[in-house]
Amino acid sequence: AQSVTQLGSHVSVSEGALVLLRCNYSSSVPPYLFWYVQYPNQGLQLLLKYTSAATLVKGINGFEAEFKKSETSFHLTKPSAHMSDAAEYFCAVSDLTTSGTYKYIFGTGTRLKVLA
Amino acid sequence: DSGVTQTPKHLITATGQRVTLRCSPRSGDLSVYWYQQSLDQGLQFLIQYYNGEERAKGNILERFSAQQFPDLHSELNLSSLELGDSALYFCASSAPRKGAESEAFFGQGTRLTVV
Repeated sequence: AQSVTQLGSHVSVSEGALVLLRCNYSSSVPPYLFWYVQYPNQGLQLLLKYTSAATLVKGINGFEAEFKKSETSFHLTKPSAHMSDAAEYFCAVSDLTTSGTYKYIFGTGTRLKVLA
Repeated sequence: DSGVTQTPKHLITATGQRVTLRCSPRSGDLSVYWYQQSLDQGLQFLIQYYNGEERAKGNILERFSAQQFPDLHSELNLSSLELGDSALYFCASSAPRKGAESEAFFGQGTRLTVV
């Protein structure tokens, strides 16, 4: 089974500073990876996804992530944090089930706090 | 708006009771997933249905069951409720024709409080 690990359950950055949220994956086959964001009292919204077309993936709201096979990583970055980026971020991987469909395995999440 | 609709948004019930959570997937999506989100357990996969059939099971308790109907909406039934079942329950759907690269679209969730 595939899995993802998010390092750091809480990250604080100053407004305007670089955002770096870490995700490492464990997979025996080329993975399909996703980053989701969850704002308070809302569902999860897709930020971006990696599907092997390009190692650097650009998403919404200025976020991007780079797939690094040698490091088994898919870290999420944003050059300049904005107050509105405060939320919880989840890394996920699609995992093949025994019935031939796919389910999504999520990391434990990283809560991003942006300081004024 | 993800296109996935969950009802109700909030539910407060007593221990020992039974509740039903409802989910309508995005138009055209055949796969429906249920997840439980709690503070100490994170986002846990419960169960998946594809076109009416159960396809994968995760950490779902025997007191919980789900089904997907011919119109593709799904219901999650939680019975003999305990205080520890209090959580956010999310439904998600995806377009299976894209396989593993297809993302999941999430509803707003149902917040269940067991008192």
